[in-house]
Amino acid sequence: GAGVSQTPSNKVTEKGKYVELRCDPISGHTALYWYRQSLGQGPEFLIYFQGTGAADDSGLPNDRFFAVRPEGSVSTLKIQRTERGDSAVYLCASSFPVSGSGASYEQYFGPGTRLTVT
Amino acid sequence: GQNIDQPTEMTATEGAIVQINCTYQTSGFNGLFWYQQHAGEAPTFLSYNVLDGLEEKGRFSSFLSRSKGYSYLLLKELQMKDSASYLCAVVDSNYQLIWGAGTKLIIKP
Repeated sequence: GAGVSQTPSNKVTEKGKYVELRCDPISGHTALYWYRQSLGQGPEFLIYFQGTGAADDSGLPNDRFFAVRPEGSVSTLKIQRTERGDSAVYLCASSFPVSGSGASYEQYFGPGTRLTVT
Repeated sequence: GQNIDQPTEMTATEGAIVQINCTYQTSGFNGLFWYQQHAGEAPTFLSYNVLDGLEEKGRFSSFLSRSKGYSYLLLKELQMKDSASYLCAVVDSNYQLIWGAGTKLIIKP
């Protein structure tokens, strides 16, 4: 079946502009995660959705970053007034929901969107 | 704070065995993942440990000691295609993944 898809694959924008990054998760995965990854670093958690609601948005660096998932499937990460420091690869991942018994499920990652702010 | 430590880079020879270590200090523990990430690509799942001991899966094995806050990934019969970064990630008390910076593994012929 189809994996996680992300669009665009590359985005170059000028400092101060607004950008939207899209993620289409695997069908049936109710959990969706956004990460940011810089070269030579591991993924940095941004936000986690369980269904339509943001279950944990503690990783969003500031109020310029916002994400939505209105119908519990596709999600959009929105960045306002972009800064050069926002340049990174933005990864989206999806998984089955976290189990109350403590089971953790592997996350399936999309190919990422490489954002460059000039 | 939460901390995951892995060596930055390791080098090994094709056909050999390599062990990549990961130590962690996190708020709670609900499992540990290893992911492989080739340059310019997304991470892909390798293994998951939640109980102490060794999990073997083909050429790859992963070990966990919760009391020591320690895990390792063992790769046998190394192939050139194994050249990649290997990421250790711990599931914390909020069921979020805390990621290490990754270990870049270089395989030489």
